[in-house]
Amino acid sequence: SQQGEEDPQALSIQEGENATMNCSYKTSINNLQWYRQNSGRGLVHLILIRSNEREKHSGRLRVTLDTSKKSSSLLITASRAADTASYFCAPNFGNEKLTFGTGTRLTIIP
Amino acid sequence: NAGVMQNPRHLVRRRGQEARLRCSPMKGHSHVYWYRQLPEEGLKFMVYLQKENIIDESGMPKERFSAEFPKEGPSILRIQQVVRGDSAAYFCASSPQGIDQPQHFGDGTRLSIL
Repeated sequence: SQQGEEDPQALSIQEGENATMNCSYKTSINNLQWYRQNSGRGLVHLILIRSNEREKHSGRLRVTLDTSKKSSSLLITASRAADTASYFCAPNFGNEKLTFGTGTRLTIIP
Repeated sequence: NAGVMQNPRHLVRRRGQEARLRCSPMKGHSHVYWYRQLPEEGLKFMVYLQKENIIDESGMPKERFSAEFPKEGPSILRIQQVVRGDSAAYFCASSPQGIDQPQHFGDGTRLSIL
């Protein structure tokens, strides 16, 4: 089915280190979005990158997109305890709905 | 500017009862989406609505589930004759228009079936 697959499934790092999460998908996309979900809460939109863009920044977040490899990565620099959450990518295949994988569970160790 | 509001936050029903979940989109948003999330899984799309219209219900179970977004008032997701397998977190999202806009999510309704 059409959805993004995040890798790794779980990631634990020390506070202050950088965290990198990857997303792969199988067919052409219109855009790709990254979301964060804290435990017991709804998803929070982080970044939307369009298919003709290669890199996008927002504060400590950096997203790259390689359409030839059908993959994207999310880099969080100088991680903080508050970054502990699950992170989901949502490739958009040209329609209105978002499709999510099972996410990367990020734990920042103080 | 209030975000997407969902209520109730928690809902407990016995098997066979009806569950009604409400979602008020962000002000100015005319597109509403419902998703379901099982523990340790990602969100699964259920239905996409605009005011008074169902645009895409490809993720909705064929029976017992229905959704509406009336001209006035919140969007409603209704589950009739609930079963244990309906236990999940149901999230609503809204956007001002479609494909190239991020979706804004509520904090969900956690439905538990006894």
